[in-house]
Amino acid sequence: QVQLQESGPGPVKPSQTLSLTCTVSGGSISSAAYYWSWIRQHPGKGLEWIGYIYYTGSTYSNPSLKSRVTISLDTSKNQFSLKLRSVTAADTAVYYCARVPYGDNWFDPWGQGTLVTVSS
Amino acid sequence: DIQMTQSPSSLSASVGDRVTITCQASQDISNYLNWYQQKPGKAPKLLIYDASNLETGVPSRFSGSGSGTEFTFTIISLQPEDIATYFCQQYDNFPRTPGYTFGQGTKVEIK
Repeated sequence: QVQLQESGPGPVKPSQTLSLTCTVSGGSISSAAYYWSWIRQHPGKGLEWIGYIYYTGSTYSNPSLKSRVTISLDTSKNQFSLKLRSVTAADTAVYYCARVPYGDNWFDPWGQGTLVTVSS
Repeated sequence: DIQMTQSPSSLSASVGDRVTITCQASQDISNYLNWYQQKPGKAPKLLIYDASNLETGVPSRFSGSGSGTEFTFTIISLQPEDIATYFCQQYDNFPRTPGYTFGQGTKVEIK
């Protein structure tokens, strides 16, 4: 059974780059059967799709974040990563990684999530 | 962008009650509508996919229906372990770029 786990360095200062990694176990990120996605949830609020990456390296991002987002794969470690540049307090959120079946449109499973706080 | 309007934002019901949550899409999304359950401090869990299909292992008291712009999620008989926030999520691919948006959530409490 595939499991996803987010990790990151902790608090981020405004204007810096937020960097997170999602480690996948029980399945390969090199599979053609899935997209690998990032989603965030502002404290006490709803969910926002950030973007995803396919095993080919193709990426798709939410237009509202696209200019600041980079998603990449590390197949040697079975991980994928998120970089969000020029962060502000509005980027404070719980960040989740999740899997999307290719040709389908739902997120399953999800990682447990990691809270990233942007503060000086 | 397609907007999702989910209602109500919260509800309180008794154990055994029927609970209904609705999501309305601003445009026709066919059946590209999924429902998730999120318990406090946990990640969302997929319950229903493609509007009406029950995810494997999810109790049959959960169901979904609808297509186009109007969708409904129902808990036939509310149980104490169903206390959570429920989200709908839509998918669109216009114009030729994938997009996913979520409803604002419905917090379900026991009366």
